[in-house]
Amino acid sequence: GAVVSQHPSWVICKSGTSVKIECRSLDFQATTMFWYRQFPKQSLMLMATSNEGSKATYEQGVEKDKFLINHASLTLSTLTVTSAHPEDSSFYICSARGGIQETQYFGPGTRLLVL
Amino acid sequence: QQQVKQSPQSLIVQKGGISIINCAYENTAFDYFPWYQQFPGKGPALLIAIRPDVSEKKEGRFTISFNKSAKQFSLHIMDSQPGDSATYFCAASNRGTGRRALTFGSGTRLQVQP
Repeated sequence: GAVVSQHPSWVICKSGTSVKIECRSLDFQATTMFWYRQFPKQSLMLMATSNEGSKATYEQGVEKDKFLINHASLTLSTLTVTSAHPEDSSFYICSARGGIQETQYFGPGTRLLVL
Repeated sequence: QQQVKQSPQSLIVQKGGISIINCAYENTAFDYFPWYQQFPGKGPALLIAIRPDVSEKKEGRFTISFNKSAKQFSLHIMDSQPGDSATYFCAASNRGTGRRALTFGSGTRLQVQP
């Protein structure tokens, strides 16, 4: 089956610093990658969609300058949380799909804690 | 228009019983309906998915029933096991948007008691 990895699995940082999260598709080419945010006991909230080589499409209410997304290759997308604050603490999950597939495969998630 | 409504919020089932989770949607452009299983601290894993041209799909103990006219679909877990205890999300996507973003339901926390 399709495998998506994320790194790191958890990160603790000080307020004001930037944190980069990587999402990789290990055994397929991900033409589209998605970034989600999930608060405890809540559903997944789509933050943005990225296509390889083009700018990300952000959902309404998501700050583009705060959550920088780069989809530089068909197997790698990165999410950088800039100038992180405690309210950015959350579980960030990426997913990927390839070509005309409908199926999205999810990564294991990254737990971010901003102190 | 993009919302997917999921119920119940939580469900307790005895081992060996049937777990049933329901979802309803409004957007008739949705054409792909997956169910995901999520364990605490993990990413969602695809369980089973259906397209609107079929009314039922079964994979092992998991069955999706789909009612296009009612705009409803449900997940049935037969012979529920304690290992099935997790949060289940229904979702839907629309080919017309191109990017195939998923709209998720609110989730159902299933607890299967031994």
